[in-house]
Amino acid sequence: AQSVTQLDSQVPVFEEAPVELRCNYSSSVSVYLFWYVQYPNQGLQLLLKYLSGSTLVKGINGFEAEFNKSQTSFHLRKPSVHISDTAEYFCAVSHSYKLIFGSGTRLLVRP
Amino acid sequence: NAGVTQTPKFQVLKTGQSMTLQCAQDMNHEYMSWYRQDPGMGLRLIHYSVGAGITDQGEVPNGYNVSRSTTEDFPLRLLSAAPSQTSVYFCASSYSRQDPGNTIYFGEGSWLTVV
Repeated sequence: AQSVTQLDSQVPVFEEAPVELRCNYSSSVSVYLFWYVQYPNQGLQLLLKYLSGSTLVKGINGFEAEFNKSQTSFHLRKPSVHISDTAEYFCAVSHSYKLIFGSGTRLLVRP
Repeated sequence: NAGVTQTPKFQVLKTGQSMTLQCAQDMNHEYMSWYRQDPGMGLRLIHYSVGAGITDQGEVPNGYNVSRSTTEDFPLRLLSAAPSQTSVYFCASSYSRQDPGNTIYFGEGSWLTVV
């Protein structure tokens, strides 16, 4: 069975600092991986996705993620965060045309 | 092009009441689904549909019913509301189930409280 683990429930960081949100998955088959962002009181928005090819994936708002098959990880990174990046971030894996989500990481950006 | 539209946005129900959460999409998407979001648990799939007239259960289907009479609409029915169904509900759609990489679009959510 496929599953997604987001180890950090909350990540506080100062504005303009770099950030990494961790995601690990378990799967016995080829995977498609996603990061979604949820701003307060809003729905989910796709940040980026990995389907195949280059292991470094660039998304919107300056975010990027690296697929690491040997470590079964898909960590999300941003070199310099803004206050507006404060949101909840969900890692997800596609399985049988359905998305399986991690429990989410709340990114808190402080001035 | 409104995307995925959910109504109502907020609802308070009494235990035992029934209600329907509406979901409509105007993108001619085949695939539609309902998720619930609970603190510390991410989103969990309730029911999904791969086309008009076809529905199937997800991870947490108990207490919910769905139907898909048209491509555009995918309502979620709570048959007899329970406090455990207090949650935020998201409807989602994508173009086709054939390509797992298809972008899934989410509605803005429906906040449901059962007292």
